[in-house]
Amino acid sequence: DAKTTQPTSMDCAEGRAANLPCNHSTISGNEYVYWYRQIHSQGPQYIIHGLKNNETNEMASLIITEDRKSSTLILPHATLRDTAVYYCIVRVGSSFGNEKLTFGTGTRLTIIP
Amino acid sequence: GAVVSQHPSWVICKSGTSVKIECRSLDFQATTMFWYRQFPKQSLMLMATSNEGSKATYEQGVEKDKFLINHASLTLSTLTVTSAHPEDSSFYICSAGGTENYGYTFGSGTRLTVV
Repeated sequence: DAKTTQPTSMDCAEGRAANLPCNHSTISGNEYVYWYRQIHSQGPQYIIHGLKNNETNEMASLIITEDRKSSTLILPHATLRDTAVYYCIVRVGSSFGNEKLTFGTGTRLTIIP
Repeated sequence: GAVVSQHPSWVICKSGTSVKIECRSLDFQATTMFWYRQFPKQSLMLMATSNEGSKATYEQGVEKDKFLINHASLTLSTLTVTSAHPEDSSFYICSAGGTENYGYTFGSGTRLTVV
């Protein structure tokens, strides 16, 4: 699976949009971009994933550049409960059989009151 | 969405004893489950892939005789830390296959402290 690069930490004011970048310059054509987050002392939580089109769900939006070498996770109206470590992961396929996920170091997002 | 239940949430044990952690898929069948370990301020590290009805696949550097994995049914995988030592103290997390809409689902984790 392609390696990803994320900033170590970011701050965002409560109520503002949080934009978390991820570089995945070696991504292959069949690799999807996934975002998970981990709130302190809990298991990771799935947020969103995409291949090449921008995606939106009830939690966030995912913007993938046209060359697919980078993406941005957008939390439109950040709340204090969004404080967590956010992981950007790329992997082959969108099915969930025996394909493992490899976690990088992630971005520690702190929402400031 | 898919739900994965992990038990216990935390456990304290004495050095030399064994501890079993359970991971259950509550509303779906999982032929494959994954076990991760996470040390403080570090990312999740995959330990092994648990396969129903067959032997687990361990990542490089993970001792299979120390971390016993059993996946006897489509809804249950167990991780047993044998002869635990203080350096085994960590946060252990399991995950199982979900759906295209929800991705892999993770358990809530087990905090193991070996004293």
